[in-house]
Amino acid sequence: QKEVEQDPGPLSVPEGAIVSLNCTYSNSAFQYFMWYRQYSRKGPELLMYTYSSGNKEDGRFTAQVDKSSKYISLFIRDSQPSDSATYLCAMKGGTSYGKLTFGQGTILTVHP
Amino acid sequence: EPEVTQTPSHQVTQMGQEVILRCVPISNHLYFYWYRQILGQKVEFLVSFYNNEISEKSEIFDDQFSVERPDGSNFTLKIRSTKLEDSAMYFCASSLNRNTEAFFGQGTRLTVV
Repeated sequence: QKEVEQDPGPLSVPEGAIVSLNCTYSNSAFQYFMWYRQYSRKGPELLMYTYSSGNKEDGRFTAQVDKSSKYISLFIRDSQPSDSATYLCAMKGGTSYGKLTFGQGTILTVHP
Repeated sequence: EPEVTQTPSHQVTQMGQEVILRCVPISNHLYFYWYRQILGQKVEFLVSFYNNEISEKSEIFDDQFSVERPDGSNFTLKIRSTKLEDSAMYFCASSLNRNTEAFFGQGTRLTVV
C-alpha cells in the first residue's frame, strides 16, 4: 500500500465550479499536511498548511483534514481558468526531519 | 516576499560528468531539502540538511550524491558521475523548522545526454 494515494485525474470542470481534491494516507505518524499547486515544469507553490483535524479556509481555498479516516481534502470555490494546474498533497510527521511525502498529483483543468 | 532561488534553471550535461545544482534558501530557515521529480512522476525526497549535516536521506541519495552549505546562504547538490536516469527536475526547499511548511524553489531541469 502506498503511503499517500492521490487520484491523478485528469479532472476537467467549468469555470465557477467547486473543485474537490482528495488524498488518503496510511502512515498514522503524519501530522502536518500541505497542498501545493504546480504549473508545468515549475516548482510546487504552497497553498495550504494544516496540522489539526478540521477545516482551514484561505480565500477560495479550504483544506480539510480527517485524521481518524486518514483523509485530506482541498476545495476550490469559484474555480478560474488560472487554477488549471497539478495539485499535490504532501505530508510529514513522526521522527522524520521534515521529509515530505507527496501524492501523485491531480491534474486540474478549468475551462471557460 | 522571501523565496527560494535555484540556479541554473536548466543544465545539460554529458553522462559521467559532475554537476552542481545551487540553491539559496529563505534566509531565516534552518532546514534545507532536495527533492527530485522525474517527468510525469511524483515528487520524491532526496535529503534533508540541518545544523550543517545530513539529517535524513532516501535510498535514491547514494554515494553519487552529496550536499553542502559552503557559506551562510548557499546550499548545493552535487552529482559526481551523472547517469541518464538522473535526468529530472531537482527542487530545493527550506523550512523554518522540521514541522513547519516547506517552500520550494522553481527547480533546475537536469538533462543528461
